[in-house]
Amino acid sequence: NAGVTQTPKFRVLKTGQSMTLLCAQDMNHEYMYWYRQDPGMGLRLIHYSVGEGTTAKGEVPDGYNVSRLKKQNFLLGLESAAPSQTSVYFCASNQAGESSYEQYFGPGTRLTVT
Amino acid sequence: RKEVEQDPGPFNVPEGATVAFNCTYSNSASQSFFWYRQDCRKEPKLLMSVYSSGNEDGRFTAQLNRASQYISLLIRDSKLSDSATYLCFHRGSTLGRLYFGRGTQLTVWP
Repeated sequence: NAGVTQTPKFRVLKTGQSMTLLCAQDMNHEYMYWYRQDPGMGLRLIHYSVGEGTTAKGEVPDGYNVSRLKKQNFLLGLESAAPSQTSVYFCASNQAGESSYEQYFGPGTRLTVT
Repeated sequence: RKEVEQDPGPFNVPEGATVAFNCTYSNSASQSFFWYRQDCRKEPKLLMSVYSSGNEDGRFTAQLNRASQYISLLIRDSKLSDSATYLCFHRGSTLGRLYFGRGTQLTVWP
């Protein structure tokens, strides 16, 4: 099992450009999440999904959109990138249920917006 | 007030030392609590769950104090390989309320 994978690993964008980050998991997990991690800020939840076809906003959703068309994939889109979106983006997944709360993280995508 | 407050450190300790981190949370309705470990430029990985009754795993002990709204992590007999950033995490009353602390950096020196 590959676990959680993220594509790409690194990206540099100019202000105003768009891009999509792809997260894939092969553990048949119901829940998937997108976080961003900034120095001194910890991880902050952007959007999450509790199943195929469903998405919801997290703590910092502005400037991002997401889609979960297939259970194993969770896409994060930036329609018009801004320098404030320079960050490390982590995808995570876990099984549903109160007792199954260990989140499995992907290796991260380092995004720089100039 | 932030949902989760965590002392960023850094904590620099010699091998064999005992070190403890605390993490306070503001929402009394918070449910599950965990400690994650994050190595430099890597993804977070679950270290252990935190229960009111305490949770021990080898040299690591985690504790939850609901009355004072904090969780703690104690590392005994520190090893060089314990050097990492330790993140506390809790889930609030709904799924979307997931909060990580900003992490406590630990360096264990020989």
